[in-house]
Order: sequence, then structure tokens, then C-alpha cells
Amino acid sequence: GAGVSQTPSNKVTEKGKYVELRCDPISGHTALYWYRQSLGQGPEFLIYFQGTGAADDSGLPNDRFFAVRPEGSVSTLKIQRTERGDSAVYLCASSLLGQRQETQYFGPGTRLLVL
Amino acid sequence: AQSVTQPDIHITVSEGASLELRCNYSYGATPYLFWYVQSPGQGLQLLLKYFSGDTLVQGIKGFEAEFKRSQSSFNLRKPSVHWSDAAEYFCAVGAGSSGSARQLTFGSGTQLTVLP
Repeated sequence: GAGVSQTPSNKVTEKGKYVELRCDPISGHTALYWYRQSLGQGPEFLIYFQGTGAADDSGLPNDRFFAVRPEGSVSTLKIQRTERGDSAVYLCASSLLGQRQETQYFGPGTRLLVL
Repeated sequence: AQSVTQPDIHITVSEGASLELRCNYSYGATPYLFWYVQSPGQGLQLLLKYFSGDTLVQGIKGFEAEFKRSQSSFNLRKPSVHWSDAAEYFCAVGAGSSGSARQLTFGSGTQLTVLP
């Protein structure tokens, strides 16, 4: 079946602007994750949803970052007042809660560039 | 908090040669361990995972990894590398319970170059 999809694949914005990044998880997957990957680094955990609620948002760097998953499927990561340091690839993953050896499957990412 | 170290930033091997990518982790309990591969412009693809049981795990594309608790290591191996294996490889440890691994912590990656 279809994998995790993310839109847009690339986003260029100006410092101070607001951006939204979208993630469509694998159909039926109940858990959804956001990670951020800076150049030359491994992905860093941002937030994790079980269904509609954020079960762990300990990785969000500050209150400019916010994510929602209103219907328990698609999620949107929102960044307010973007800064140049927000430039990175934002990765989304999904998994099936309760599955033995639960595994996260990743999307291709959204490359965000803040000028 | 858990952490992952991949000591080798870049490795170059000749096609057909054997490969070993190193991964060391720090975690207070039994870790859940993963290797992912990332090709340019692509997302992360799972190669293999360890949750429990047999410490030698087999993955896709001919890769295997061995969990060594005494050394806190989970090194990735392949007996004969193909040119298509050139990519960046990430080791990750998961914090969780009941057979789950919710928050993954990744290493900084090892870039593999394959010479013809």
C-alpha cells in the first residue's frame, strides 16, 4: 500500500513568516511522529501522536512550533515566526500501535529553507 | 536519556568488499535498536531491528547486525557490498515499553561510498 507522504517536498520562506507542513501517514496507522533533520545530523524527535492527542511533545524546541492531528490521521506541523535556524528537513513517520515490534515508517520529508 | 554514537562519519569500500558500520548506544534498560538507510532526497528506510531474542538479526538487502550488550554495540555488517549500497546509514535506539519504541534517538550517521 501507499507509504507516508509529506507535502510540500520543498518550502522556501522568509524569516518571520508562518509555515505549515503536512503529513499523511500510512492508512490505519494510529501513531504519528515528527522529526527534524539538520544538515549532517541524524533526525531529532519533535513530537508523537497517539490518535488525535499529542502523547509526547518533549522534542519541540520552543513555543513557535506546534502540531495537530485533529482526526487522528493527517497531521500538520506549524511553525510561527520562522528563523533561519529552522531550516532543516522535517520528517514524518507513522506506526501501528500495539503491533509486536512496533516500527516507524518514514516519509520522504519536507525540506524547509528560511531565508 | 538515551544516546547513540556512530564513530565513523564516512567510510569508503570497494564493491564486493565486506562492510561493518559501528554503532554504540547508551540506555539504562533493554534497548530497542534499529538501522535505517537514507539515499539522497529519500526518506529513511528500515534495514533491520532488534527488540529481543536472537542477538544476530537479519535485514533486507543482505544486511545483518549483532547486538552485544556487554559492549553496548549494534554493528551493521554486509559480506559483499554493491554499488547501490552507497548511502547514509543511521543507527537508532528506541525508548519505550511493551515491545514498542516510541521516541527514537538517532546517531549522526555514517556516509558510505562504494568504489567500482
